[in-house]
Amino acid sequence: AIQMTQSPSSLSASVGERVTVTCRASQDILNDLGWYQQKPGKAPKLLIYAASSLQGGVSSRFSGSGSGTDFTLTISRLQPEDFATYYCLQDYSYPRTFGQGTKVEIK
Amino acid sequence: EVQLVESGGGLVQPGGSLRLSCAASGFTFSNYWMTWVRQTPGKGLEWVANIKEDGGEKHYVDSVKGRFTISRDNAKNSLYLEMNSLRAEDTAVYYCARDLNYVDRGGNKDVFDIWGQGTKVAVSS
Repeated sequence: AIQMTQSPSSLSASVGERVTVTCRASQDILNDLGWYQQKPGKAPKLLIYAASSLQGGVSSRFSGSGSGTDFTLTISRLQPEDFATYYCLQDYSYPRTFGQGTKVEIK
Repeated sequence: EVQLVESGGGLVQPGGSLRLSCAASGFTFSNYWMTWVRQTPGKGLEWVANIKEDGGEKHYVDSVKGRFTISRDNAKNSLYLEMNSLRAEDTAVYYCARDLNYVDRGGNKDVFDIWGQGTKVAVSS
């Protein structure tokens, strides 16, 4: 199975800051990667698919980039509602695998 | 309103069985792949299984192969996960999700755009 490794595991940031979360795949997955946001006690929410395509209705503060093995989720100006845990997911091959998550906390 | 509602979770002894259901509404269920994802307590997400629109193709994570069966009833707009030989490590919140499966470069790609609220499964004696 393809292993997905996110970094950092957690970070503290202030409202208005630019935040970057990284996801690394154990092999080349082309651009077959999505990003999901999860708030405590809630289901995950799709943000980005195919590495850089923004899901409809998602704020343009979120952007994704990368291909091959290295991917990035960027939040351009952190807002209070963005404090959550973020997961990457590869859909290059079965079984689909998530990263371990990156918790974005208030500084 | 597009909605997914899971049910069927509960406490079960190791080695026992449980059947989860996911009721879909607000969209044409038979037009979509569906998937199950679980989240262990305090841990991250794990993809479990998915199923094609007509039920003719299914995929599983290795840890549940031979024990779990994903199925669907398009007439009832429902997705199921039959779980047998349950283990303590199957304890999790189980989510169903709509899967915007599409073919790219000859392979299936998955985008999970709508999620249920989850149902808790606890495996313990």
